[in-house]
Amino acid sequence: AQSVTQPDIHITVSEGASLELRCNYSYGATPYLFWYVQSPGQGLQLLLKYFSGDTLVQGIKGFEAEFKRSQSSFNLRKPSVHWSDAAEYFCAVGANTGFQKLVFGTGTRLLVSP
Amino acid sequence: DTAVSQTPKYLVTQMGNDKSIKCEQNLGHDTMYWYKQDSKKFLKIMFSYNNKELIINETVPNRFSPKSPDKAHLNLHINSLELGDSAVYFCASSPQGGWAAFFGQGTRLTVV
Repeated sequence: AQSVTQPDIHITVSEGASLELRCNYSYGATPYLFWYVQSPGQGLQLLLKYFSGDTLVQGIKGFEAEFKRSQSSFNLRKPSVHWSDAAEYFCAVGANTGFQKLVFGTGTRLLVSP
Repeated sequence: DTAVSQTPKYLVTQMGNDKSIKCEQNLGHDTMYWYKQDSKKFLKIMFSYNNKELIINETVPNRFSPKSPDKAHLNLHINSLELGDSAVYFCASSPQGGWAAFFGQGTRLTVV
């Protein structure tokens, strides 16, 4: 069965510092991978997705993620964090088992300190 | 011009009641979903509809009944509410062959 692990429940980063959020997945076939952000009281917004091709994917708000098949990872990065990036971040794998569904990780809460 | 809108945003109700949550998308998407987010923020798919046809039903109690009157709407009706149903319910949509790219703002359901 498909699964996603986000090992960090909370991460605190200073404003202006770089960020990396970890995501590991388990899926037998080539995965479709996604990162979503959820601001407090809001729905989820798609940051970026990986289907195939270039393993470094650019997303919105200055985020990028790198797919590493050998490590079953899809880590999210940002070179310089802004206070407005404080939110919950979810990694997800798309399971195409005759129909499409997303399997989410448990999320990482990003706190940004001044 | 909200893409995926849900009503109500908050719902507080007593155990045993029946309630509905409505969802509408104006993106012209063919596929709509209901996801449940529990108190630990874990998100899990409940249902998926494609062009008004149910295609995913993820071991959800039959007290939950989705209804799609047209491809722009997917409502969720819950009978005999239980304390464990308290959660945030998200509606989402995607174009056919896509994934849940657009989420609504969520409905926080509290059962007391």
